[in-house]
Amino acid sequence: GIQVEQSPPDLILQEGANSTLRCNFSDSVNNLQWFHQNPWGQLINLFYIPSGTKQNGRLSATTVATERYSLLYISSSQTTDSGVYFCAGRMDSSYKLIFGSGTRLLVRP
Amino acid sequence: NAGVTQTPKFQVLKTGQSMTLQCAQDMNHEYMSWYRQDPGMGLRLIHYSVGAGITDQGEVPNGYNVSRSTTEDFPLRLLSAAPSQTSVYFCASSRKGTAQYFGPGTRLTVL
Repeated sequence: GIQVEQSPPDLILQEGANSTLRCNFSDSVNNLQWFHQNPWGQLINLFYIPSGTKQNGRLSATTVATERYSLLYISSSQTTDSGVYFCAGRMDSSYKLIFGSGTRLLVRP
Repeated sequence: NAGVTQTPKFQVLKTGQSMTLQCAQDMNHEYMSWYRQDPGMGLRLIHYSVGAGITDQGEVPNGYNVSRSTTEDFPLRLLSAAPSQTSVYFCASSRKGTAQYFGPGTRLTVL
């Protein structure tokens, strides 16, 4: 089966700093997604990004499927960005999402 | 669109009690699934369904039953609750090849 690895496991930023979170996959993957779990436990869809680059405000994501990795960029971080960021992917013809173990982000004021 | 809805938001059970966690989606998604998340941990798949009348087991199915009689609803049943089932439960849905969406979660405590 595929494995999904995220790095770093923990990250502490000062408000206003930028960061890059990485997600590596062990086998070919489709349907890559990034989620943010906020401190209240809600799982929020950030990006559905099987390939290419997408941007949404201060956040952007890039997936290079042929090289089996995806990056999530957070610019000008805010305290509300705190929480856990998960990436997840599926193998072809499967519905099931395989999750990474997450990156725990704390943004200090 | 309400998206994925779950009820109840919170529940406390005694060991041995049974209950059903409700999940519904109004996006006509064929795929629905249940996850549990323990403190400080990631999500583990309990059961999933790829359409009405079709269900299958995930990583941690023991102690849970599911059924899928309609496209919209996917209830999760605990037949005899145990303290080890204290967790936060998330329901999710998607269409093949598209983003998966999560409900707000049910926080369950078994005493």
